[in-house]
Amino acid sequence: SQKIEQNSEALNIQEGKTATLTCNYTNYSPAYLQWYRQDPGRGPVFLLLIRENEKEKRKERLKVTFDTTLKQSLFHITASQPADSATYLCALLKKSSGDKLTFGTGTRLAVRP
Amino acid sequence: DAGVTQSPTHLIKTRGQQVTLRCSPKSGHDTVSWYQQALGQGPQFIFQYYEEEERQRGNFPDRFSGHQFPNYSSELNVNALLLGDSALYLCASSLGLGPDTQYFGPGTRLTVL
Repeated sequence: SQKIEQNSEALNIQEGKTATLTCNYTNYSPAYLQWYRQDPGRGPVFLLLIRENEKEKRKERLKVTFDTTLKQSLFHITASQPADSATYLCALLKKSSGDKLTFGTGTRLAVRP
Repeated sequence: DAGVTQSPTHLIKTRGQQVTLRCSPKSGHDTVSWYQQALGQGPQFIFQYYEEEERQRGNFPDRFSGHQFPNYSSELNVNALLLGDSALYLCASSLGLGPDTQYFGPGTRLTVL
């Protein structure tokens, strides 16, 4: 069955360091991969989308890589700040139109000052 | 520009009751998707509405039903509530059925006692 795995343990890092979160998937051939941020009790907020033919995407302090051979995406936040503390979700989408987003369980990031 | 709105924000019901949750999409969006998010889990796709029709459905029983109105707003109905239906219910809107970014509302927290 299709599976999307993200680290269930929280990632704790020092302010100013780079946070790296991992999303692995099996039995899936996504055409698109998205990363969302979710704060407690709130809905997810879209951050970045990367297509299967793209290796890397950047937006300000965020960088996403997508390796369809390894079936893995890495999400980096450089120069992390306490305000970056949240849960980060990856979500996959197949190429077919109207396909539903399939989410991972999310990884909680805590950036300490 | 109003984002996605959901009502109510919180709801407490007892087992066996029925509940209706409401969603207004972001201005200009015509597609609404509903997700269930249990504590500590990623959002799980329930169904998607476009042009007032259910276009896709996730692995949820028939107790979960929905509707989309001509103004693109949507309702999620859950009958015969079970304790396991307690969750955050998220509505997301997008434009068309392509892999566009989905914008999430703040969610409705449903507690079933």
